[in-house]
Amino acid sequence: KNQVEQSPQSLIILEGKNCTLQCNYTVSPFSNLRWYKQDTGRGPVSLTIMTFSENTKSNGRYTATLDADTKQSSLHITASQLSDSASYICVVSANQAGTALIFGKGTTLSVSS
Amino acid sequence: DTAVSQTPKYLVTQMGNDKSIKCEQNLGHDTMYWYKQDSKKFLKIMFSYNNKELIINETVPNRFSPKSPDKAHLNLHINSLELGDSAVYFCASTSQGLAEAFFGQGTRLTVV
Repeated sequence: KNQVEQSPQSLIILEGKNCTLQCNYTVSPFSNLRWYKQDTGRGPVSLTIMTFSENTKSNGRYTATLDADTKQSSLHITASQLSDSASYICVVSANQAGTALIFGKGTTLSVSS
Repeated sequence: DTAVSQTPKYLVTQMGNDKSIKCEQNLGHDTMYWYKQDSKKFLKIMFSYNNKELIINETVPNRFSPKSPDKAHLNLHINSLELGDSAVYFCASTSQGLAEAFFGQGTRLTVV
């Protein structure tokens, strides 16, 4: 069964600290893995997209890693800001067209001052 | 310039009613989607349309019907609304190939 599991379910950190969110998947076939940020009351916004051959990809203070052998990904946030408070969703695509997206349940991150 | 826009943003209606949610994208994308996000924040795909053809239809009740008048629009029509239909519905679009999906702001549907 195609599944995407994320941990932790929620996380609270102080402003300025770093954090890492985890994603494990059992999706087959695998095309690409995406991380989205969803602010409260808004639609998800893409942070990174990685294919099978990519191990790491950065977008500003966000760095995603992918280990296709162990089927694990992580999203590292550096020097967190209050605006980073959101849900972070890991999404695995089973085809290149992106029409078979399997969503994780997300990690809710709260950054406090 | 909103890339993917949905209307209305909020919709409160009684059980048994029929309602529609509209979605428009100005990105020139050829594939549009509808997702349902339940109370546990879990996003699940409902439909996708590519060049006016339905290419995915997950196990969604036939009370839900997507309607695409043209490539830039994908509306969601719901008949005989039920309490369990209460959720946030997101529209999204992508171009073909490895491309990120752009999401609308969501429509919060509440059935009372």
